[in-house]
Amino acid sequence: GEDVEQSLFLSVREGDSSVINCTYTDSSSTYLYWYKQEPGAGLQLLTYIFSNMDMKQDQRLTVLLNKKDKHLSLRIADTQTGDSAIYFCATKASSYKLIFGSGTRLLVRP
Amino acid sequence: EAEVAQSPRYKITEKSQAVAFWCDPISGHATLYWYRQILGQGPELLVQFQDESVVDDSQLPKDRFSAERLKGVDSTLKIQPAELGDSAMYLCASSLQGAKNEQYFGPGTRLTVT
Repeated sequence: GEDVEQSLFLSVREGDSSVINCTYTDSSSTYLYWYKQEPGAGLQLLTYIFSNMDMKQDQRLTVLLNKKDKHLSLRIADTQTGDSAIYFCATKASSYKLIFGSGTRLLVRP
Repeated sequence: EAEVAQSPRYKITEKSQAVAFWCDPISGHATLYWYRQILGQGPELLVQFQDESVVDDSQLPKDRFSAERLKGVDSTLKIQPAELGDSAMYLCASSLQGAKNEQYFGPGTRLTVT
């Protein structure tokens, strides 16, 4: 079945770059998303990439997609303490249904 | 900026009681989703509406859960009777019609069943 895997935890120093990784199994995934969730809150859409793209950049965020390896990453440049949150990778195939990973908790140390 | 509204934000109920959650999607969004997020996990889709019709409710425990979107705008998710294992965050999301359209999430309702 469809599955999305993420590492559980990442700790970085303020000002460094953060890279959050995700692997997925459904090769028919057409859209891939990154969401951010702060404690007790809903999910905020950060960015997404279409499956025919390799890279997408949006201000401090860079998304890389390796379709052959079914690997997606989110790079956050100049990470700030306000970036501390849980980051979810999600995939969508033709069914419109989002399949989420379990989330990566990012801790930014001052 | 338009947002998805949900209420209540928090709900504590005893097991075997009935509980209901409400969601108002972004105006003009024909597609509405209810997700359940257990602590430490990603959200899982419970039910998807296209206007007032259910498109996917394959993961909805239909013996105790029901969802409706009578006029194709706001929606209610009900649990009766609630069980301890239903404690979770219930998230509503909406999107424009079409596979490429992003889903926007509300703040969620955190349910605790005691």
